[in-house]
Amino acid sequence: GNSVTQMEGPVTLSEEAFLTINCTYTATGYPSLFWYVQYPGEGLQLLLKATKADDKGSNKGFEATYRKETTSFHLEKGSVQVSDSAVYFCAPTSYNTDKLIFGTGTRLQVFP
Amino acid sequence: DGGITQSPKYLFRKEGQNVTLSCEQNLNHDAMYWYRQDPGQGLRLIYYSQIVNDFQKGDIAEGYSVSREKKESFPLTVTSAQKNPTAFYLCASSATPSTWASYEQYFGPGTRLTVT
Repeated sequence: GNSVTQMEGPVTLSEEAFLTINCTYTATGYPSLFWYVQYPGEGLQLLLKATKADDKGSNKGFEATYRKETTSFHLEKGSVQVSDSAVYFCAPTSYNTDKLIFGTGTRLQVFP
Repeated sequence: DGGITQSPKYLFRKEGQNVTLSCEQNLNHDAMYWYRQDPGQGLRLIYYSQIVNDFQKGDIAEGYSVSREKKESFPLTVTSAQKNPTAFYLCASSATPSTWASYEQYFGPGTRLTVT
């Protein structure tokens, strides 16, 4: 079945630094791809998504491009803020279903 | 405002007791899901339901039960058969996907269950 691998955290950055969180997946067919964010003690919020190859999802300064050739969906932000500190989850859909497969999450810590 | 509510936010139980976690949505979504999250780990699917009066086991259904009598509600019961019930439980919902699109899941705030 489909699976996902995220880079291990924590990722520690200074404010205004450039962020990349790597995500690669294995998939049968053409999954939709999502990034979710979880702030401490809360549920998950959708950050961005892409539903077909070469699509770029973007929101709140974050971006990720659906790369079919490398089966990747890396999350990037040009200038992080302290308020971006959270856990980020990459999630492709499972083959031919609407179920999501979640990675282990990557914790981001941004210091002033 | 539309959304998903889970109650309570914190729940404490003694070992051997069954406990039911509430999940309600007013988004008019057909599909609902229950996940378990343990510290430092991703989410694991417990049960999901795509339509009223129907539900399927996820990856870790043993020791849990659900019902889906109403579109808006999908309660989860953690039974005494669940060996390690202490965890953070998340409920989610989504619109029914079409053949050509996948709809994102919307999550509730979660319930932290502690069993001693």
